[in-house]
Amino acid sequence: NAGVTQTPKFQVLKTGQSMTLQCAQDMNHEYMSWYRQDPGMGLRLIHYSVGAGITDQGEVPNGYNVSRSTTEDFPLRLLSAAPSQTSVYFCASSAVRQLGGEAFFGQGTRLTVV
Amino acid sequence: SQQGEEDPQALSIQEGENATMNCSYKTSINNLQWYRQNSGRGLVHLILIRSNEREKHSGRLRVTLDTSKKSSSLLITASRAADTASYFCATDGYQAGTALIFGKGTTLSVSS
Repeated sequence: NAGVTQTPKFQVLKTGQSMTLQCAQDMNHEYMSWYRQDPGMGLRLIHYSVGAGITDQGEVPNGYNVSRSTTEDFPLRLLSAAPSQTSVYFCASSAVRQLGGEAFFGQGTRLTVV
Repeated sequence: SQQGEEDPQALSIQEGENATMNCSYKTSINNLQWYRQNSGRGLVHLILIRSNEREKHSGRLRVTLDTSKKSSSLLITASRAADTASYFCATDGYQAGTALIFGKGTTLSVSS
């Protein structure tokens, strides 16, 4: 049971480039979310999803897109990377039956935009 | 911002001592959770306390919740070097619990 898998673990982008951060979970969880973690800022919610085909914006959605075509996958797209998007990105999932309950996190993607 | 705040931001103690971290939050909640993050790793769930509970124990962890003050505390008793990590509180106040709101964390350093 792999849990939540994020790829890649590290990425360096040039300003203006686009890329997709992948997130997959094998626990059949309905809820998935993306966070970014910056020094001294804790984790801030970017986008989240309550099920396949349903996504919504979090606290800091600008510059990011998401889609949820399957229960398992929740990719995060950076359309035109900016230095301000340098951060560590975490994907998390949780089950509906535990509303507000335990979330499972991936190991993170460390992104640097130069 | 809906983020909560942990206090203190950093805490350094000796092995065997107790560590207390506090969390304040802004929205009404159904439950509050604490997570641990080791350096360079993802977050790991420690304990969940529901809004109708005032105190909960799990091993060396004790969590209290005061919903009237919108605050919680995490006590780690008899700390070990392996407890060195960052600790975050999280609430389910975002969109009826569909996503968690995290505080900014407390960095705990336990020296032997």
